[in-house]
Amino acid sequence: DTAVSQTPKYLVTQMGNDKSIKCEQNLGHDTMYWYKQDSKKFLKIMFSYNNKELIINETVPNRFSPKSPDKAHLNLHINSLELGDSAVYFCASSQDSYGYTFGSGTRLTVV
Amino acid sequence: AQRVTQPEKLLSVFKGAPVELKCNYSYSGSPELFWYVQYSRQRLQLLLRHISRESIKGFTADLNKGETSFHLKKPFAQEEDSAMYYCALGHGGSQGNLIFGKGTKLSVKP
Repeated sequence: DTAVSQTPKYLVTQMGNDKSIKCEQNLGHDTMYWYKQDSKKFLKIMFSYNNKELIINETVPNRFSPKSPDKAHLNLHINSLELGDSAVYFCASSQDSYGYTFGSGTRLTVV
Repeated sequence: AQRVTQPEKLLSVFKGAPVELKCNYSYSGSPELFWYVQYSRQRLQLLLRHISRESIKGFTADLNKGETSFHLKKPFAQEEDSAMYYCALGHGGSQGNLIFGKGTKLSVKP
């Protein structure tokens, strides 16, 4: 059983489109995250949810909107996609001890 | 401000050579430090956490509060160690937010 699963793995889309990335964890963790890894492999946190509540909302464009229907799911919706949004997006979860479990990533390419 | 610095973008060594990946941090509280590894096109995986004082795949890391460092070391590098390595600082209470360094790409040549 995959602990943190993201779909899709690859996403190629045109500028201006709206797309969603889904994340699910079956670890029973309370906290979930979205990280963005850019072309230079730099990892930066975007959002953090604890038990369905938004905890961290870093400076990201408001075209990005996270949604957590329950504590096992954290989805990322992106409106009006731009070329600069191309990156790998990682979902992760944790429970108190800071040990993150990461998903396998979604490689988004905006053309 | 909380910050993690990994000064080397790329570290290239020969198989069997010792390797040290540097990590320095800036944090006013009591830090929680980690090393994560990302093999080519795979997910990030937890390698070490300082509170465990463990050795994983031959790697060790010691927290030096005086030098605010948490360098990752291995006495004899293997080709399969080639990967991106990220040092991370835990802060922010129970939500467990991590700040990552920019990563060091380790390349172990035969």
